[in-house]
This record gives sequence, C-alpha cells and structure tokens, in this order.
Amino acid sequence: SQTIHQWPATLVQPVGSPLSLECTVEGTSNPNLYWYRQAAGRGLQLLFYSVGIGQISSEVPQNLSASRPQDRQFILSSKKLLLSDSGFYLCAWSRGTDQPQHFGDGTRLSIL
Amino acid sequence: GIQVEQSPPDLILQEGANSTLRCNFSDSVNNLQWFHQNPWGQLINLFYIPSGTKQNGRLSATTVATERYSLLYISSSQTTDSGVYFCAALEYGNKLVFGAGTILRVKS
Repeated sequence: SQTIHQWPATLVQPVGSPLSLECTVEGTSNPNLYWYRQAAGRGLQLLFYSVGIGQISSEVPQNLSASRPQDRQFILSSKKLLLSDSGFYLCAWSRGTDQPQHFGDGTRLSIL
Repeated sequence: GIQVEQSPPDLILQEGANSTLRCNFSDSVNNLQWFHQNPWGQLINLFYIPSGTKQNGRLSATTVATERYSLLYISSSQTTDSGVYFCAALEYGNKLVFGAGTILRVKS
C-alpha cells in the first residue's frame, strides 16, 4: 500500500531563516505531488504541484519555492522566512490528474 | 475559479444523533472529496465521490453533480467523530479547492 511521510512534524523558526520541508511517498511510482497550506485551522490552499521530476507548477505567488529532485520526493523551501509563512503545511499525492488526493500528517510551522 | 461553500459552519451534537453536512460548488467538477480533520490535524480521506452515493459504515455521501451539491451523512455520531469536515472540489486537473469546513463537536 501507499504511504506518505512528512517531516518534521513541528518546526519553530526565526524570521529571516531558511526553510526546508520534505515529503516522500512510498508504494507508487510517478505520483502527482502537492503542497498545501492551511492557515487558522480552516480551509487549505494549494501552493505547488508536480506531475514529474523537475516539473513544478506554482499556484500562489509567495516567498516559497518547491522542488522535486526524485520521483517520490517533494521539497518545500524558503530562503528567508516571513511571519506570514506561519501555518500548517500538508503534502499530498495522487495517481494522476483528476484522481483522489491523499494527505500526509502535516508540518506545523511557527515563525518567531 | 470554482467556489466551494459548506454548511453549517459549526455543529454540536449529542452522542448518538444523526447529522447532514452540505457542500455546494459553483461549477461542474471532475472530482469531489470529503475529508475529516482530527484534533491532531490529520486529514483523513472519507469519500471520493464525483457523483452518486457511497457508504462506509456510519458515514455516507451523495453527490448530485447536475445540481452542484454534495451531502455527507453521519449516523449515530460518536465523540471520535469530532473535528472539522471539509469538502474539496477539483477545479481543474490538479487543483483541489477546499470549502471553509464544518466544525463538528459531539458531546457525550
């Protein structure tokens, strides 16, 4: 069966510091991968998605970037964090376009 | 883009009661999903239901795509059903648009 892993589970970072969140999927090949952010505990917003290695689509202009260095690895990064980057970040995967998406357990990011 | 509206925003139930959550969407969709977010933040897949009716234990869901709404039924509610319920519609191939959620609290 397929599993999705995110780490770390929680992270506290100072303003201006860099960020790297990692997500990996097991048990499937060539998945679509997604990064979502949830602010204030209500509603998720799609940040990035990827349909293959090195292919990244951005949905919302922001201080963040994403990369997919391997088939089942998706990384969310920032060079300098802002206070507004605080939130709950979830990674998801699907078998392809129009397929159901399955979510990881999320990373709770606090910026001080 | 597509708009997704959920109602009610908040719901308090006594254990054992039944409830219906509603999701309206503004355009035709290829994919509609219901999720339960537990108090630890985990987002659990409940249903993938672009149309028709599905049942899983005490939960069932119905989507009427032509009328652009979906319903989630919870029967014989338990305290473990507490949390936030989200519906999400696929706007185009890869973008799930989430509603604001229904916060459910089941009291014992």
